[in-house]
Amino acid sequence: AQKVTQAQTEISVVEKEDVTLDCVYETRDTTYYLFWYKQPPSGELVFLIRRNSFDEQNEISGRYSWNFQKSTSSFNFTITASQVVDSAVYFCARNAGGTSYGKLTFGQGTILTVHP
Amino acid sequence: EAQVTQNPRYLITVTGKKLTVTCSQNMNHEYMSWYRQDPGLGLRQIYYSMNVEVTDKGDVPEGYKVSRKEKRNFPLILESPSPNQTSLYFCASSSSSNTEAFFGQGTRLTVV
Repeated sequence: AQKVTQAQTEISVVEKEDVTLDCVYETRDTTYYLFWYKQPPSGELVFLIRRNSFDEQNEISGRYSWNFQKSTSSFNFTITASQVVDSAVYFCARNAGGTSYGKLTFGQGTILTVHP
Repeated sequence: EAQVTQNPRYLITVTGKKLTVTCSQNMNHEYMSWYRQDPGLGLRQIYYSMNVEVTDKGDVPEGYKVSRKEKRNFPLILESPSPNQTSLYFCASSSSSNTEAFFGQGTRLTVV
């Protein structure tokens, strides 16, 4: 299976600090999609962003931004001025291409704790 | 309200006793999937379905069965559960394989 790796298992920051969550993926496909999901302490999984492999523009949504670099197979997620409500587990994911389009591979997750 | 509904939310069972976890979505989505979440391993895909009667294996299909007889339902079947299947299970649906997935609330399964 083509892996998705989130190098940071746990990150702890103080409120208002910026934090970047790393995501590196393996792929043999030219077309694929990347995703980030958030899992707050309540346990549900919340979609944050989707990016296709042809769109390398960075994305900003409020305090969240994403940096996609195809050359390094990375799709990193930055939270600016973190808040306690950002405390959650964050997952990066990639779908497969070709005939396995339905397969979705997740990283191991990064546990982010934001202290007041 | 658009949603994916899993039942039950919590289940404790004994080794070898067949069980089914149900999943239903009301968004007319083509794609549905099952995942298990284990500490340090993230979410791993068990099975996915592209449409009615079309299913395929994910990364960890051993010990599980699925069926997709209707578009809205995608039950997960454990014919002979074992303790290593103790996990948190999520069902998800999406309109296509490239779009965001909507997840159910999760089913915490304990096999003793």
